[in-house]
Amino acid sequence: AQSVTQLDSQVPVFEEAPVELRCNYSSSVSVYLFWYVQYPNQGLQLLLKYLSGSTLVKGINGFEAEFNKSQTSFHLRKPSVHISDTAEYFCAVSGPRSSASKIIFGSGTRLSIRP
Amino acid sequence: NAGVTQTPKFRVLKTGQSMTLLCAQDMNHEYMYWYRQDPGMGLRLIHYSVGEGTTAKGEVPDGYNVSRLKKQNFLLGLESAAPSQTSVYFCASSYLSGVTGELFFGEGSRLTVL
Repeated sequence: AQSVTQLDSQVPVFEEAPVELRCNYSSSVSVYLFWYVQYPNQGLQLLLKYLSGSTLVKGINGFEAEFNKSQTSFHLRKPSVHISDTAEYFCAVSGPRSSASKIIFGSGTRLSIRP
Repeated sequence: NAGVTQTPKFRVLKTGQSMTLLCAQDMNHEYMYWYRQDPGMGLRLIHYSVGEGTTAKGEVPDGYNVSRLKKQNFLLGLESAAPSQTSVYFCASSYLSGVTGELFFGEGSRLTVL
């Protein structure tokens, strides 16, 4: 069975500082990995995804994530955050043999930006 | 550019009452999903549909029913609401299977059961 763990429930950072949101997954087969962002009082939207190929994936709003198979991680990074990045971020995992119902979401990391 | 629209956005029920949440998408997507979001638990799949007239159970289906009579609509019903069903409910849709295709979410429906 697949699972995903987001190690930090909250991450406070100062504006213009770098940030890393951590995500680790567990799977015995190949995986697809996703990061979604949820702005206050909105639904989730896709930030980026890894299906195959280059392990460094670039997404919207300057975010990127790196797939590390040996560490079973898919950490999300941004070199300089802005107040508008305040949101909750969800890591998700699935796989090529998974059905439509098998996207597993992490518990979320709330990113708060201090001016 | 409506995307995925959920109604109502807020609802308060008493234990034992029934209600229906409506999800409508205008992107001609085949796949539709209902999730619930609870603090510290991420999103959990309640039911999903891979096409008009089809539905299937997700991770936490008990106490809920769904119907997909039209491709663009996916209804979530609570026959006898319980306080444990207090949550934020999200509908999502995707063109391909959500496994590789992007999920498009509505803005959520906040339900409180007293």
